[in-house]
Amino acid sequence: DSGVTQTPKHLITATGQRVTLRCSPRSGDLSVYWYQQSLDQGLQFLIQYYNGEERAKGNILERFSAQQFPDLHSELNLSSLELGDSALYFCASSSIAGPTDTQYFGPGTRLTVL
Amino acid sequence: DQQVKQNSPSLSVQEGRISILNCDYTNSMFDYFLWYKKYPAEGPTFLISISSIKDKNEDGRFTVFLNKSAKHLSLHIVPSQPGDSAVYFCAAQAWEPGNTGKLIFGQGTTLQVKP
Repeated sequence: DSGVTQTPKHLITATGQRVTLRCSPRSGDLSVYWYQQSLDQGLQFLIQYYNGEERAKGNILERFSAQQFPDLHSELNLSSLELGDSALYFCASSSIAGPTDTQYFGPGTRLTVL
Repeated sequence: DQQVKQNSPSLSVQEGRISILNCDYTNSMFDYFLWYKKYPAEGPTFLISISSIKDKNEDGRFTVFLNKSAKHLSLHIVPSQPGDSAVYFCAAQAWEPGNTGKLIFGQGTTLQVKP
């Protein structure tokens, strides 16, 4: 158990809908990262927050947004969903926000868009 | 543009033998490399890492080798055990101003260790 929790575990929805994925980092970790893993692909970095502020952005679509709340949990919002958004979404946390700081991953949320 | 590549989607070895997983990268700014292991229905778990100032790092049965001139790294597992059967991801971080630690992952290699 990494100490990172993600809810829900599975999500099935229809095209055009909007969903929210939730992540609670390990106790004491200030940095949260979101990654997307599509079928047979590696994990793609989406976005990072540190202590409530956005720190880095990857190839995140404009239809996607995220935020980190004062209690440090984070939410990833996906809107106008398309079939291609079906993927595993992982959240990871680390104590600070820099290289060599080990990232601990949650179990992921499997999103299926029908 | 795949900056980190794991060209072997799968690998099968016999229990007790050596498993060698390979990873190539293209970005010369990468200076820190990691291996993560992933079981089905779980998130990736950190296994071992290496800084670009080293060419080898060992942790128990796991050793990572880095060849900077070839932009290649490998993970050796000796001896391999059935519990090592999982997907292994190679990941890299780049030294760059304001680097906040984002990881660039390869596609993964599925290792099967047969009893």
